[in-house]
Amino acid sequence: GDSVTQMEGPVTLSEEAFLTINCTYTATGYPSLFWYVQYPGEGLQLLLKATKADDKGSNKGFEATYRKETTSFHLEKGSVQVSDSAVYFCALEDYKLSFGAGTTVTVRA
Amino acid sequence: GAVVSQHPSRVICKSGTSVKIECRSLDFQATTMFWYRQFPKQSLMLMATSNEGSKATYEQGVEKDKFLINHASLTLSTLTVTSAHPEDSSFYICSANPRPGDSAHEQYFGPGTRLTVT
Repeated sequence: GDSVTQMEGPVTLSEEAFLTINCTYTATGYPSLFWYVQYPGEGLQLLLKATKADDKGSNKGFEATYRKETTSFHLEKGSVQVSDSAVYFCALEDYKLSFGAGTTVTVRA
Repeated sequence: GAVVSQHPSRVICKSGTSVKIECRSLDFQATTMFWYRQFPKQSLMLMATSNEGSKATYEQGVEKDKFLINHASLTLSTLTVTSAHPEDSSFYICSANPRPGDSAHEQYFGPGTRLTVT
């Protein structure tokens, strides 16, 4: 079945550092891909999405490009802030959402 | 934006007892709600889809007699873990679609409930 693999955390960074979280997927078709973010004490929120190959999703300074050739959807942000500390989930959608294991990111001031 | 709440946020129960977790959509009506389970360092796993006024649809491998789901109103779904055992300890998350026919990714998620069975 469809699945998502993302890099294990935790990831600890200093403010203004560059963040990359790797995500690869396995799917029989051409799923839509997503990144969700979960801030402490809150529910998962959709961060960005891409629905077809070469699409780039972006939001709040985060970006991810749907790469069909490498079956990847890596999340990047050029300069993180303390407020970006959260758990990040990569996901794909067929009739339901399939999630990666989540990556905990901590940004230190 | 749409808000989904869960109660309780944490619960500890003894082995053999049952525990109920509530999921509420606070500012919208949800004909469909979803229940997920997350093990430490693992992904969220869809357990079941809860439909208002009808039986829940369970994913393969999920025991429907173990995890009872009731969606009695358009704003409330409950998950009851019956005769809980330590292996049921997990993080349970619910979500809901604000509109009928919404795609799966348009769900709004609750903050989760940590269940510990001793």
